[in-house]
Amino acid sequence: EPEVTQTPSHQVTQMGQEVILRCVPISNHLYFYWYRQILGQKVEFLVSFYNNEISEKSEIFDDQFSVERPDGSNFTLKIRSTKLEDSAMYFCASNSAEQYFGPGTRLTVT
Amino acid sequence: AQKITQTQPGMFVQEKEAVTLDCTYDTSDQSYGLFWYKQPSSGEMIFLIYQGSYDEQNATEGRYSLNFQKARKSANLVISASQLGDSAMYFCAMREEETSGSRLTFGEGTQLTVNP
Repeated sequence: EPEVTQTPSHQVTQMGQEVILRCVPISNHLYFYWYRQILGQKVEFLVSFYNNEISEKSEIFDDQFSVERPDGSNFTLKIRSTKLEDSAMYFCASNSAEQYFGPGTRLTVT
Repeated sequence: AQKITQTQPGMFVQEKEAVTLDCTYDTSDQSYGLFWYKQPSSGEMIFLIYQGSYDEQNATEGRYSLNFQKARKSANLVISASQLGDSAMYFCAMREEETSGSRLTFGEGTQLTVNP
């Protein structure tokens, strides 16, 4: 069964460093998303991406965040200068009708 | 304003019994979709079931069914014949405008514990 994959599963980085979180959405899906979940909290929408451009972004998705689809399969989230409060689980998702989530990347900023 | 409300932070159920997890939503859209996800302690988000606002019948997927009451704006998840492996956090989510590309808005979640 096709699935969304994400790498790495865990990432530890120092404050101020750049990180790139990678995702491979399900191959015939057209819509891609990033969400985050701070420990113990609900899942929050960051950004959606369609037809090689951002279709919607939340107020969380400020200038330190960017997304890219560098080739036909990968979908990346870059955080330019990480802050302590960026520590969270980051989920990639994709859908045709139902939205499927990847296993997540746990980002820890120290 | 809270768009998705899950009023039960924690629920307990005996193995093999049925349990209902509550979810109410708020939208002015005529067209929307409702989702339930399971998040075990390992952290992944597992899609369980989907209900479109125009679907006449309640959605079912194996032991999961969605009790959709449109007038009450509720979309409760019913898990029949609970198993120990059902112990997890359960999130209700809504997609406004029943088109594929809209974001999901999540509730706070309900932690379900299945007792042997």
